[in-house]
Amino acid sequence: QSALTQPASVSGSPGQSITIFCTGTSSDVGGYNYVSWYQQHPGKAPKLMIYDVTNRPSGVSYRFSGSKSGNTASLTISGLQAEDEADYYCNSFTISSTYVFGTGTKVTVL
Amino acid sequence: QVQLVQSGAEVKKSGASVKVSCKASGYIFTEYAIHWVRQAPGQGLEWMGWINAGNGNRKYSQKFQGRVTITRDTSASTVYMDLSSLGSEDTALYYCARVTGTYCDYWGQGTLVTVSS
Repeated sequence: QSALTQPASVSGSPGQSITIFCTGTSSDVGGYNYVSWYQQHPGKAPKLMIYDVTNRPSGVSYRFSGSKSGNTASLTISGLQAEDEADYYCNSFTISSTYVFGTGTKVTVL
Repeated sequence: QVQLVQSGAEVKKSGASVKVSCKASGYIFTEYAIHWVRQAPGQGLEWMGWINAGNGNRKYSQKFQGRVTITRDTSASTVYMDLSSLGSEDTALYYCARVTGTYCDYWGQGTLVTVSS
């Protein structure tokens, strides 16, 4: 099972919106609505930001939203803030009843 | 409150095995699954496998099949991850995480495993 493909880095200015894409196959991202997104700050454990493609856990800012089209999922951060600077990983359930993470994206707030 | 507390850092020789524990509290242990995820220094997250803490069913990433064993002790509310035939590429921070539905909602603090030759 190959890792899902994410851009290595994405950047934006405060207040702007950015979108991180996560590309898989019909055996993972495209086959199930079980994509989640995690934020990880340096030296910290990952934090759940989005689950089941579009759902936001309580306590996560409304500025984070998720969607999916075909084999590609996306995470959008609107109104970018300095605290959003972190690494982001997508994760998907797979046809083998396993899970796979994306390659990770470093978000930089300019 | 939900807590996952992992065992301490380990230093192992190449070819050895390591067993990392993950003790759960604050919820009914057998009602959730646990994932194991690792992160090599400066690298991304890598999913290793999971166990249903209730019935003990397990599934492993193909990459680790044959080398990893995940078990649980319901009386101790603890999940274990055993990784054998260690190589330098296994040096990483190993996390356990509770699974709700299809996602990880609580994570352990991580256990650093260092493999030296």
